[in-house]
Amino acid sequence: KNQVEQSPQSLIILEGKNCTLQCNYTVSPFSNLRWYKQDTGRGPVSLTIMTFSENTKSNGRYTATLDADTKQSSLHITASQLSDSASYICVVSGTGGGNKLTFGTGTQLKVEL
Amino acid sequence: GAVVSQHPSWVICKSGTSVKIECRSLDFQATTMFWYRQFPKQSLMLMATSNEGSKATYEQGVEKDKFLINHASLTLSTLTVTSAHPEDSSFYICSAHDRDTGELFFGEGSRLTVL
Repeated sequence: KNQVEQSPQSLIILEGKNCTLQCNYTVSPFSNLRWYKQDTGRGPVSLTIMTFSENTKSNGRYTATLDADTKQSSLHITASQLSDSASYICVVSGTGGGNKLTFGTGTQLKVEL
Repeated sequence: GAVVSQHPSWVICKSGTSVKIECRSLDFQATTMFWYRQFPKQSLMLMATSNEGSKATYEQGVEKDKFLINHASLTLSTLTVTSAHPEDSSFYICSAHDRDTGELFFGEGSRLTVL
């Protein structure tokens, strides 16, 4: 069964600090992995999308890594801001079958003063 | 950039009525759209996959007669919650798959409250 597990489930950090969110998946065959940020009451917004051959991709203060061998990804946030408080969702796409997506349960991040 | 528009963004209705939610891809063509439901502090739950010009594929446990999905064009999919009940109150989100770029974009969501 295709699964995407994220950790930690929730995280509280102080403004200005860095943090790393983890995503482990069992989706096979693998097509791509996406990280989304979802503010409360809003739709998810794409941060990065990574294919099999990509190891690292950055988007501003967000840096995603992918290890397709161990089926792990991380999202690193540097110099956190209050506006980074949101749910971060890892979504893995498999090949074939309409590119079915498997969603992680998300990591709830709260950045405090 | 590409945008997916959902309408209405929020709706309150009486129990027993039907509610239609629209999902539009504004500047790209989407052969596939997805509908999700999200309860407070939980992740998105895929309800169905909507393919243009064909019947939607529903996830296990989702009643197709209750959640009617129509994907009549490459830019529009609709979700109709029929005979809504309070337990149908939720945040409904759509996403659209850009057939040219492969990117997946989400709508802003529609909050349904059934009284």
